Order: sequence, then structure tokens, then C-alpha cells
Amino acid sequence: GAVVSQHPSRVICKSGTSVKIECRSLDFQATTMFWYRQFPKKSLMLMATSNEGSKATYEQGVEKDKFLINHASLTLSTLTVTSAHPEDSSFYICSAKGMGTDTQYFGPGTRLTVL
Amino acid sequence: GQSLEQPSEVTAVEGAIVQINCTYQTSGFYGLSWYQQHDGGAPTFLSYNGLDGLEETGRFSSFLSRSDSYGYLLLQELQMKDSASYFCAVKAGGFKTIFGAGTRLFVKA
Repeated sequence: GAVVSQHPSRVICKSGTSVKIECRSLDFQATTMFWYRQFPKKSLMLMATSNEGSKATYEQGVEKDKFLINHASLTLSTLTVTSAHPEDSSFYICSAKGMGTDTQYFGPGTRLTVL
Repeated sequence: GQSLEQPSEVTAVEGAIVQINCTYQTSGFYGLSWYQQHDGGAPTFLSYNGLDGLEETGRFSSFLSRSDSYGYLLLQELQMKDSASYFCAVKAGGFKTIFGAGTRLFVKA
């Protein structure tokens, strides 16, 4: 099956700093990548959808200036949490899909802890 | 609003069969997917139904009835490693994927 990686897997940062999370599709071209946030024992909340070379489409209630998404190539998307605060602490998961398919392949997730 | 309903918890014994139901109410419908997630891990894709009927993949099967806005995931010959959360997800209008709240499956010996 398709492989999606995320880096880092865990990050602890101080309040006010910015954190960048990378999502890579290792063996296929990801025309669309999705960023999700998941709280403990809760479902996945879609934050934004990004198509390669285009601006990301953010879901209602997600601050685009706080969660910067870049999808500059068919294998890489990045999520930058700017000026992170403790309430941003969460499990962030990316997924990717190729053209002509509905199947999303998920990355292993990044656990962000903001102190 | 858009919503997916699935049971919060299901318990079954090893070797048994368990069915996890999912009903949905969405603006537009293009397909129903199922994902498995173990604690601390990321979701993994299990199956997809775009049309009515049963899709079988090994021990897992998934069913869809678009007229009833209903689907289910069937797990056969349960194993301890099947203990996980299972999410149904609908590809809705605007090609947006909406996830259910998840069903925690506990498999007992």
C-alpha cells in the first residue's frame, strides 16, 4: 500500500514558538493532502485540504494565519503552527491521496505539546 | 447539519463476528469508507463503498445502502489485535470527507 510519512512524530515546544510538521508521500504522487487534528479519544477533525500548487482550503473555524499550509510539490505538504499556545496541543495527522482515487493514506501523526 | 452516527463501544469475544453500524446525514454523498485506528496510531484504510452492496476484503466486509443512508462494517473471526477504534467516513458534497465519532471495539479472550 501507499506510504505517507510525517516528521516529527513528537514535538514539545514553548508557548509562542512556531512548529513545522512535514507530510510526505513516499511512493506515489499526492495531488491532494489533508490535515486533521484529533483530540484524545475523539474523531478526526478536518482542518484543511490542499491541492498541489494551490492555496489550501480551510474548514470553518480554522485560522488560516495560525495554521499555515504549504503544498509545493506532489510529495510534500507542510503545516506550520504559528505562535503556538497550550490549547494547540494535539495529535496532528496528515493524509494524502492520488489523482482518480478516493482512498486516503494517513501519516503516522505528530503529537504536539505546547508548554 | 451533517452527521454520522455510530455506536461508541462494542465488545465481542475472540473468534466471533461483530457488526459496526453507521448512519449518515450529509449534503451530498459520494461514498462511505471505514478506517481502523489503534491507540496512539494513525488511521488505516479498511474499505470503501461507492455503490450499494457488500464489499469483502479478507475478514472484513463493508455494506452500503444509499436509500437508507446506512452502512456497516463486519469483522469476522475476531482476533485480539482487532481491538481498536473504527471510524466510518462519508465523502460528502464539495468532496469533503466527514468522519464519525468512532466505535471502540474491545475483543475479549
